[in-house]
Amino acid sequence: GAVVSQHPSWVICKSGTSVKIECRSLDFQATTMFWYRQFPKQSLMLMATSNEGSKATYEQGVEKDKFLINHASLTLSTLTVTSAHPEDSSFYICSARRRGRAEAFFGQGTRLTVV
Amino acid sequence: QKEVEQDPGPLSVPEGAIVSLNCTYSNSAFQYFMWYRQYSRKGPELLMYTYSSGNKEDGRFTAQVDKSSKYISLFIRDSQPSDSATYLCAMSAGGSYIPTFGRGTSLIVHP
Repeated sequence: GAVVSQHPSWVICKSGTSVKIECRSLDFQATTMFWYRQFPKQSLMLMATSNEGSKATYEQGVEKDKFLINHASLTLSTLTVTSAHPEDSSFYICSARRRGRAEAFFGQGTRLTVV
Repeated sequence: QKEVEQDPGPLSVPEGAIVSLNCTYSNSAFQYFMWYRQYSRKGPELLMYTYSSGNKEDGRFTAQVDKSSKYISLFIRDSQPSDSATYLCAMSAGGSYIPTFGRGTSLIVHP
């Protein structure tokens, strides 16, 4: 199967600071990457979809100035949580898919705690 | 009504049992169907991928898609305690391929 690596797996930051999460496809070219947020015992909430070389498309209710997504290459996408607050604490997960294929492969997830 | 319905469970079965997990959906445009397994505090792992209707088997896992009934299933044979996890169904249409997920079913396999 295809491998998606997400880093860091966990991070603690102070309120008001920014945090960057990386998502890399290790053995395939990811034309599309998805970013999700997951609360305990709940399903995945899609935050945004990014296509390589294009601006990300954000889901309704997701602040694009707070959650900056960059998909600069076919193997790397980043999510930056700007001016983080305790309510941003959550589990963030990325996934990636190849061109013309429907199945997506997930990273390990990043647990963000804002104190 | 949500586009994808999935019973959250929990579903508790004894080791060795055959497990049946199901999802129903309302969008007839869905053509691609996936099952993921998610352990606590981990990212989902792709188990099965099916295009259109039919069956697909991989080891102890069998995925079934019935597009006429808008119903998909995942069967796990000879279930093991290590199968205890949350199972998410996902489906998408062609074009954007943006997956729509069910809320997941929590499975507990007890020794």
